[in-house]
Formats: sequence, structure tokens, C-alpha cells
Amino acid sequence: NAGVTQTPKFQVLKTGQSMTLQCAQDMNHEYMSWYRQDPGMGLRLIHYSVGAGITDQGEVPNGYNVSRSTTEDFPLRLLSAAPSQTSVYFCASSYSGPGARNTIYFGEGSWLTVV
Amino acid sequence: EDKVVQSPLSLVVHEGDTVTLNCSYEVTNFRSLLWYKQEKKAPTFLFMLTSSGIEKKSGRLSSILDKKELFSILNITATQTGDSAVYLCAVSQGAQKLVFGQGTRLTINP
Repeated sequence: NAGVTQTPKFQVLKTGQSMTLQCAQDMNHEYMSWYRQDPGMGLRLIHYSVGAGITDQGEVPNGYNVSRSTTEDFPLRLLSAAPSQTSVYFCASSYSGPGARNTIYFGEGSWLTVV
Repeated sequence: EDKVVQSPLSLVVHEGDTVTLNCSYEVTNFRSLLWYKQEKKAPTFLFMLTSSGIEKKSGRLSSILDKKELFSILNITATQTGDSAVYLCAVSQGAQKLVFGQGTRLTINP
């Protein structure tokens, strides 16, 4: 059981480049989300999804796009990378239903540096 | 503005000591409060608290929530070097929406 898988684990981008961080989960979770973690600031919510075809903005959505065409995948797109987007990115998923503990499972993280 | 504040931000103790980590919050649509331990990679789940006054325990770790005063504490007794980590407090607003605190970096010296 792979859980939540993020790729790539490390990436260096030049300012202005675009890229996609991939996230996949094999637990049939309805809910998925993306967070970024900066030093001393905890994790902040970028975008989230409550099911295929449904996405919404979190606390810091600017500069990022998401889509949810399948239950398993939730890619995060950086449209035009900026140094301020240098961060560690975590994808997360959870199940919510009768008896669920709403446990949120996190991926291992993707370290992104924009130069 | 929703916010979660943890204190202290950093704590250094000796192995065997007991520590208390604090988390206060002002968040709309409170559903639950969660504690995570983060070593080098992804946060790992410790506790979820939804009701006031009910202590959750797991080995040497315990946590309690006060929904009237809007805070939670995480206690670790008989600390070990393996407890060294960043401890994150988060409030769930439902549907994957978590508001995190800054974290407390705990260092246990042998």
C-alpha cells in the first residue's frame, strides 16, 4: 500500500519556468489537498479538493493551479515560478465517512527551489 | 483571521524530563484539533481532539483540549532522544482544511 506518493522529491527551477508537482493516493480518499511549509511558519493550505471535479482555494493559492480529474490524482501546477515559491510542498489525503477518524495522510514532501 | 499559536517555539531539555507544549487557537468553523510529530519528512499523526476535558493518551504522550479557553496542551513524560522533533498543532475546519501553528522544535539531550 503506497499511501500518498509525491513526485518529484527535489526540483530546482529558474524564475519564470512552469512545472507540475504530482500527487497520487491509492486509498480511495475523497479529500486531497496541497500545503506548503516555510521555515517558522508551519504548513499553509494552498488548494484542496473534496472529490473529483471539485477544487477550492486555501490560504495561499496565488501562483498555483490545481485540477482533480480522478479520485487518485491531484497535481499542483506552478504557472510562472518565483523565488517566493521556494518551499517544501506536502500533498495530503483523507477519507471522510461514517466512523472515519478523519486522519489526514501526508506525502513525503517535495523540496522546490526557485533561483 | 484564523490563527493557531504554539509555545514555546523551541525547547531543549534533558532525557527523562517532562515537557508541556502549548497550542492556542482562534479559528472559525472548529471541527477538531490535531497534534502531529514531524521529524525530517511528513508530519505523522499523534492525536485528534474534539471534546473538552477528555484526555487522549498514547504511551508517554497525552493531550487535552479546552474549547472554552481555546487551547490544548501536549505532554510528554520521561522524554527520550527519539522524541526530538517538531510538534505541530493544527485545527481542522473540515474537508482537508487545516490551520497549522508554527510548530515547537523539541530537542532532547542525552
